[in-house]
Amino acid sequence: DADVTQTPRNRITKTGKRIMLECSQTKGHDRMYWYRQDPGLGLQLIYYSFDVKDINKGEISDGYSVSRQAQAKFSLSLESAIPNQTALYFCATSAQGNTQYFGPGTRLTVL
Amino acid sequence: AQSVTQLGSHVSVSEGALVLLRCNYSSSVPPYLFWYVQYPNQGLQLLLKYTSAATLVKGINGFEAEFKKSETSFHLTKPSAHMSDAAEYFCAVKNGGATNKLIFGTGTLLAVQP
Repeated sequence: DADVTQTPRNRITKTGKRIMLECSQTKGHDRMYWYRQDPGLGLQLIYYSFDVKDINKGEISDGYSVSRQAQAKFSLSLESAIPNQTALYFCATSAQGNTQYFGPGTRLTVL
Repeated sequence: AQSVTQLGSHVSVSEGALVLLRCNYSSSVPPYLFWYVQYPNQGLQLLLKYTSAATLVKGINGFEAEFKKSETSFHLTKPSAHMSDAAEYFCAVKNGGATNKLIFGTGTLLAVQP
């Protein structure tokens, strides 16, 4: 079984809809991250969390919110989706230290 | 502030040829550097990392990278390309301090020709 899972893997939605992307991990890590990937831009950090009570904005948090429901779960929400939020979204986890482990990604299309 | 530059958004090599993917970094502190690989329709997988130990770092699938402080480089190499190496490769530097944030380059798409 995968250590970091993301649901859904693909989602098509319409402008103005609320959508939630979910991430779960079985690695026992305390730190979790949400990134978005756009062609030619690499990965950009949206939010990160060091534990259930510690949530921080990344470089591109506008239009997004997160919830850390438990150590193993970190959800990303788009309150009112817009077309320029069409992207590939990745969740990652790490223990204190360096290596981040990534989930398989969620491909989101906003029409 | 840390940053990473990957030269060449697309690289094409023949099967069996040397693979060289370039990465230059900027960091005000001794950097931790990473190479990740992304196969089609998959997440990012760690290839190798430099954490201030040996300057030549060996990773999975025959890849290695050499940390050169004087050149602020961390280029990824593999002596002989295989068709299965076709993927996108990302260089990243760890943000200084306790946040553990990664700053990614824009990626290099490697094509391997038969």
